[in-house]
Amino acid sequence: DAKTTQPPSMDCAEGRAANLPCNHSTISGNEYVYWYRQIHSQGPQYIIHGLKNNETNEMASLIITEDRKSSTLILPHATLRDTAVYYCIVPMNRDDKIIFGKGTRLHILP
Amino acid sequence: NAGVTQTPKFRVLKTGQSMTLLCAQDMNHEYMYWYRQDPGMGLRLIHYSVGEGTTAKGEVPDGYNVSRLKKQNFLLGLESAAPSQTSVYFCASSYDRRTTYNEQFFGPGTRLTVL
Repeated sequence: DAKTTQPPSMDCAEGRAANLPCNHSTISGNEYVYWYRQIHSQGPQYIIHGLKNNETNEMASLIITEDRKSSTLILPHATLRDTAVYYCIVPMNRDDKIIFGKGTRLHILP
Repeated sequence: NAGVTQTPKFRVLKTGQSMTLLCAQDMNHEYMYWYRQDPGMGLRLIHYSVGEGTTAKGEVPDGYNVSRLKKQNFLLGLESAAPSQTSVYFCASSYDRRTTYNEQFFGPGTRLTVL
């Protein structure tokens, strides 16, 4: 089963792009990368997912390296409301269990 | 469309008491999950269900039981509560593995304290 590694915390200035890295060196060829975030005391919220191509939606962009061993979540213009814990997840293929690690705690600085 | 709802929002129990947490979803999702989150930690999967009438163990199933008698409901039971079960409990649901799309929708959480 693929596992992910993320830095425990990051800071970003308000209005700047926040780039959150994730390593998933054991990912299999057909496993997706998912990103969720959890704002204090709330349930996690889905952000974006991808397989091998870069993806963009209204919340963020996801850049996946060509060898698929790492990815970066980009919040293009971070605001104070983006302060949260961000989880990079690669679900196991055998079933749909999602294993949440400790994620990256992103602090947006005013 | 309410999404995923959880009942109750808060509860305080004494050691040895029992209770049931209810999760309901109105999105016709096949899969449902129960997680717990302790302070400063990530979510840990307790039990999950891949369809009505089915359940399976997650990472930390001990001390909990679940039932999925109806597709839209997933119940989490604590038969004899212990202080170690003090936590925030989140329920989630997702659609169908055949889509290879695994976005999970989460409820607002139940804050449980066991004294």
